[in-house]
Amino acid sequence: DMKVTQMPRYLIKRMGENVLLECGQDMSHETMYWYRQDPGLGLQLIYISYDVDSNSEGDIPKGYRVSRKKREHFSLILDSAKTNQTSVYFCASSLEGNTLYFGAGTRLSVL
Amino acid sequence: AQSVTQPDARVTVSEGASLQLRCKYSYSGTPYLFWYVQYPRQGLQLLLKYYSGDPVVQGVNGFEAEFSKSNSSFHLRKASVHWSDSAVYFCVLSVASSGSWQLIFGSGTQLTVMP
Repeated sequence: DMKVTQMPRYLIKRMGENVLLECGQDMSHETMYWYRQDPGLGLQLIYISYDVDSNSEGDIPKGYRVSRKKREHFSLILDSAKTNQTSVYFCASSLEGNTLYFGAGTRLSVL
Repeated sequence: AQSVTQPDARVTVSEGASLQLRCKYSYSGTPYLFWYVQYPRQGLQLLLKYYSGDPVVQGVNGFEAEFSKSNSSFHLRKASVHWSDSAVYFCVLSVASSGSWQLIFGSGTQLTVMP
């Protein structure tokens, strides 16, 4: 069964703390993505990874960084989280490059 | 510039009624078009996709969409909706860009099916 798994599902952090969101996929997909979803703004692309250690900024990379050391894992890191980073974060992967498989999301609250 | 417009932010229909969710795109080349559905507190799931050929594509759960190049549209339809179809529906355009794919998401349409 093809699956993208995100951990944790829910997270509460204080402003200034570091945040690690993890994503795994079992499909050996080369390309992986991090999006955030906010009411009224739809999905915004944060970072895209084309394979291990091959990452590119998306539309809103400021305040985020990523790590991909294994093809099946893609992490999103917030160094010193800010309240405006409260959002729902989605990880996705693709094989053909334009058909995406999404995880269930991580709901992050930064207080 | 490429864009996707879903003109209806919210649609409400009665169970058993027919449904059409509208999607207009702007792109001068050959579009790859998708519809995704997002159920509450879940990620997006692929409903159907169009690459080429027959302009009417079938998807899961009785959904279909019709591509129209002349109207730059890719409307989603269902003959008879069920309460479980209540969700947010996203139209997505995929275009080739610098050796990779750029995905442009519509803003989504919240569908509510009344019993």
